[in-house]
Amino acid sequence: DAKTTQPNSMESNEEEPVHLPCNHSTISGTDYIHWYRQLPSQGPEYVIHGLTSNVNNRMASLAIAEDRKSSTLILHRATLRDAAVYYCILRVYNNNDMRFGAGTRLTVKP
Amino acid sequence: SQTIHQWPATLVQPVGSPLSLECTVEGTSNPNLYWYRQAAGRGLQLLFYSVGIGQISSEVPQNLSASRPQDRQFILSSKKLLLSDSGFYLCAWSPRSRTNQPQHFGDGTRLSIL
Repeated sequence: DAKTTQPNSMESNEEEPVHLPCNHSTISGTDYIHWYRQLPSQGPEYVIHGLTSNVNNRMASLAIAEDRKSSTLILHRATLRDAAVYYCILRVYNNNDMRFGAGTRLTVKP
Repeated sequence: SQTIHQWPATLVQPVGSPLSLECTVEGTSNPNLYWYRQAAGRGLQLLFYSVGIGQISSEVPQNLSASRPQDRQFILSSKKLLLSDSGFYLCAWSPRSRTNQPQHFGDGTRLSIL
């Protein structure tokens, strides 16, 4: 299975943009890139997903490298409520299996 | 709108006791349903998933079992709990009719085995 590599932790200041990187050098052509986040003592929350093109939604933007071997989740203005563990996951098309790694723990400082 | 309910939120059980965790989904029909476990400080591990009533797929051999007696009800069970069964158990659903759709998670049950 294709794996992802994320930094263990990152820090950001409130109201500044945050770029969360993810490496997935063994990604295959049918793997979608999904991002979830998990606040303390809660279940994961879907953030965004994409295949090849950059994606935007109300929560974040997803920038995917041209060779698809890496991607970056962009929070345009971090708030204290964005402090969470962010997971980058590769998901095979039409596959129910999502393999969560350890993720990146984002700390947002006021 | 769709909602997912898990209960209880926390549970403390002695070793060797049985377990039953329930998950229900509202506002959708024919969902895919999932059970995950999260050990402290770790990522999630998929335990079971179901694409329909009575249809259960197990991802890892273990002391647990799952059942889906109704379309929107998913139950995680054990006959005799082990210390290693401690963890944070999460139920999730996704639309069956559409591929590669996000999974939506409940708030989880924190299970402690004494």
